Amino acid sequence: DGGITQSPKYLFRKEGQNVTLSCEQNLNHDAMYWYRQDPGQGLRLIYYSQIVNDFQKGDIAEGYSVSREKKESFPLTVTSAQKNPTAFYLCASSIRDYTEAFFGQGTRLTVV
Amino acid sequence: AQSVSQHNHHVILSEAASLELGCNYSYGGTVNLFWYVQYPGQHLQLLLKYFSGDPLVKGIKGFEAEFIKSKFSFNLRKPSVQWSDTAEYFCAVSHLSGGYNKLIFGAGTRLAVHP
Repeated sequence: DGGITQSPKYLFRKEGQNVTLSCEQNLNHDAMYWYRQDPGQGLRLIYYSQIVNDFQKGDIAEGYSVSREKKESFPLTVTSAQKNPTAFYLCASSIRDYTEAFFGQGTRLTVV
Repeated sequence: AQSVSQHNHHVILSEAASLELGCNYSYGGTVNLFWYVQYPGQHLQLLLKYFSGDPLVKGIKGFEAEFIKSKFSFNLRKPSVQWSDTAEYFCAVSHLSGGYNKLIFGAGTRLAVHP
């Protein structure tokens, strides 16, 4: 089945540790996105990538980093510099000349 | 700041009532417009989209939306809601920024439909 896979579904980390969230797609989409979802704030764009080896900061990129070494994969690292990392993280992808975004199931990160 | 605004954060309706959820955006130039829905425990999924042509677009499950360019609006409507429409609804706008297509979401509207 084609789709977007985010893993793990739930993740717990201690404060001060970096953590990497996985996002893989087999839809052959060029563009991939990372969003953070917080209650009452909707989805806020962290990073996006339109093509391999290229990515752009979104509206709330501070404390996050990404890589796009393969078309299928767009991992997000939540660094210790992110002041409020506990949130629900959503990965999405779309074809390059944008039509619609397809979303993964999300990863709920809790930092204690 | 450029943004996507959804006016209602929480809406409570009885079954068979009509629904209209407001969405305004502040981006100039060409935009693509979307409504997504997130049912409890499920993926975000696309309800409908507007790229060009007829400004009244129809989506899944009886939803429709009207693009009014002069008002920078893309309101979502449904004539008669059902209990199964209980979900969170997100308006989204895709626009070119620095040569890249960005997809920006509103804060969402949580709809509760009572039987």
